Amino acid sequence: KQEVTQIPAALSVPEGENLVLNCSFTDSAIYNLQWFRQDPGKGLTSLLLIQSSQREQTSGRLNASLDKSSGRSTLYIAASQPGDSATYLCAVGEAGTALIFGKGTTLSVSS
Amino acid sequence: DAGVIQSPRHEVTEMGQEVTLRCKPISGHNSLFWYRQTMMRGLELLIYFNNNVPIDDSGMPEDRFSAKMPNASFSTLKIQPSEPRDSAVYFCASSVPGGYGYTFGSGTRLTVV
Repeated sequence: KQEVTQIPAALSVPEGENLVLNCSFTDSAIYNLQWFRQDPGKGLTSLLLIQSSQREQTSGRLNASLDKSSGRSTLYIAASQPGDSATYLCAVGEAGTALIFGKGTTLSVSS
Repeated sequence: DAGVIQSPRHEVTEMGQEVTLRCKPISGHNSLFWYRQTMMRGLELLIYFNNNVPIDDSGMPEDRFSAKMPNASFSTLKIQPSEPRDSAVYFCASSVPGGYGYTFGSGTRLTVV
């Protein structure tokens, strides 16, 4: 059974710092991997999707990488801002199944 | 498009009562998912449908939970009878095949007292 783990569970950084969020998964036979953002009391917003054949995806200050062989993905956030404060969730998709989520990393960026 | 629409946004009910949560997926999305989110367990898949047909309901906690998708534009998740441990945020999401365009609703916060 696929398991997704995110470390750390919480992270506090000052504004302007570059940071990395980590995600690991136990079964490398994945179809894709997605990173989502969740603001308090809100639903989830998709940030980046990496297909299994890809190594990374970029959107603005965000860069997500995927290493299937080691079962790892990282989300890199450059020049963090207070508006980046939220919970970031990693999810893996396997063929024919729904996304399986990690428990998330709650990020706090102070000004 | 208005996105995935869930109702109600908040529901407070007494133990033993029936609760029905509703979801309208994005038009053209043929996959629909129900998830439950708690602090302890995170986001758990309850059930998902492809083309209105339930594919995997192994995440449904017990027989008190049931879900239906009578047509491509509507789904319900019913809990009968409800218990305090069912208190959580329930999310509905929809997507096109392959997991692309995975879009979540705003969720229903259920409190069972």
